[in-house]
Amino acid sequence: GQSLEQPSEVTAVEGAIVQINCTYQTSGFYGLSWYQQHDGGAPTFLSYNALDGLEETGRFSSFLSRSDSYGYLLLQELQMKDSASYFCAGISGYSTLTFGKGTMLLVSP
Amino acid sequence: DAGITQSPRHKVTETGTPVTLRCHQTENHRYMYWYRQDPGHGLRLIHYSYGVKDTDKGEVSDGYSVSRSKTEDFLLTLESATSSQTSVYFCAISESQQGPQETQYFGPGTRLLVL
Repeated sequence: GQSLEQPSEVTAVEGAIVQINCTYQTSGFYGLSWYQQHDGGAPTFLSYNALDGLEETGRFSSFLSRSDSYGYLLLQELQMKDSASYFCAGISGYSTLTFGKGTMLLVSP
Repeated sequence: DAGITQSPRHKVTETGTPVTLRCHQTENHRYMYWYRQDPGHGLRLIHYSYGVKDTDKGEVSDGYSVSRSKTEDFLLTLESATSSQTSVYFCAISESQQGPQETQYFGPGTRLLVL
């Protein structure tokens, strides 16, 4: 099985940069995904890292280090609309995701 | 828009009654998933399907059954609802036909309250 740990809450101000960390313990690990969920809404896919290194998608970047069983999501130029919950999710057995418990990001003016 | 709908969107039921939630997709994708989301637990996989009549259990499958008689529909049934099954239920699909299913698209969710 898998378990993923991430902070429960992170706060930041508009325009800042914030990093949300995720550590995992897993067997059969294929990669790490990140999802965003606004309050009351459905989770939406942000990024996926299958290999070590940094993946950049606009203001969001995601990083994976397999040797350290660690990844992070980096959000730059924070906007108020980025206030949401962010979930890391590990892929195991090819077909299923195991989600962390989520990090609530609060962006203040 | 991944073309996923869930019905009903809200339901209140009583303990001991059967409940069926429906997930419908318009994209003909192979993989479909049912999750529940509870405060402090994130998203937890209940069951998933990798084709018509092909299903498997997830992390929290006790008390739930699923069926997939056609590609577009994936049904989740609570045979005898309990208060512990009060939750928000999300259906998801994956676009990949094979390989890691890392990108999943979620439906709008069903809020279920069991009294």
